[in-house]
Amino acid sequence: EAQVTQNPRYLITVTGKKLTVTCSQNMNHEYMSWYRQDPGLGLRQIYYSMNVEVTDKGDVPEGYKVSRKEKRNFPLILESPSPNQTSLYFCASRTQGLTEQYFGPGTRLTVT
Amino acid sequence: GQQLNQSPQSMFIQEGEDVSMNCTSSSIFNTWLWYKQDPGEGPVLLIALYKAGELTSNGRLTAQFGITRKDSFLNISASIPSDVGIYFCAGNTGFQKLVFGTGTRLLVSP
Repeated sequence: EAQVTQNPRYLITVTGKKLTVTCSQNMNHEYMSWYRQDPGLGLRQIYYSMNVEVTDKGDVPEGYKVSRKEKRNFPLILESPSPNQTSLYFCASRTQGLTEQYFGPGTRLTVT
Repeated sequence: GQQLNQSPQSMFIQEGEDVSMNCTSSSIFNTWLWYKQDPGEGPVLLIALYKAGELTSNGRLTAQFGITRKDSFLNISASIPSDVGIYFCAGNTGFQKLVFGTGTRLLVSP
């Protein structure tokens, strides 16, 4: 089944404790991205990657890092999480040149 | 970052009613997409539109790409309880980036 998977689905952590949210897709998509969703603000792009070893900032990249060492994986790294990063995070992927983007199930992160 | 104006913000309707929602932008878009997000899940693509004036259906859903390329509409006919969720529009300006609307929350009363 074609899909985007994320882990963990739920995470509660404390300020400053490094964490990684994994994202993997099995559709051989070149383009992957991370979004955060907050009430009243919709989906905002954090980082995106157009292919292996090619990443760029989205609209709200501060406090986040990403890497793209393999085509199928695009982890999101929070080196020192803060409470304002409490949010619902989505990974998405699509084929380069096409617009249809497919989303993962989401990771709900709470930073206390 | 740029966002699309989506309206209404929320709707509470009776089962069987038709629903309309729209997205507008000050920018021209090359593609319009409509997504639905169920509670606790990621957005799922419903309809993709590629040409100005295009009208596309997916079951009870119909979406249109506005002639000016600055707006799009989604209609749901004969709503049912499982239509409940948040509906997002998204537009592509041609620079690889997808811009999302703020969502329309739909509630359907049986």
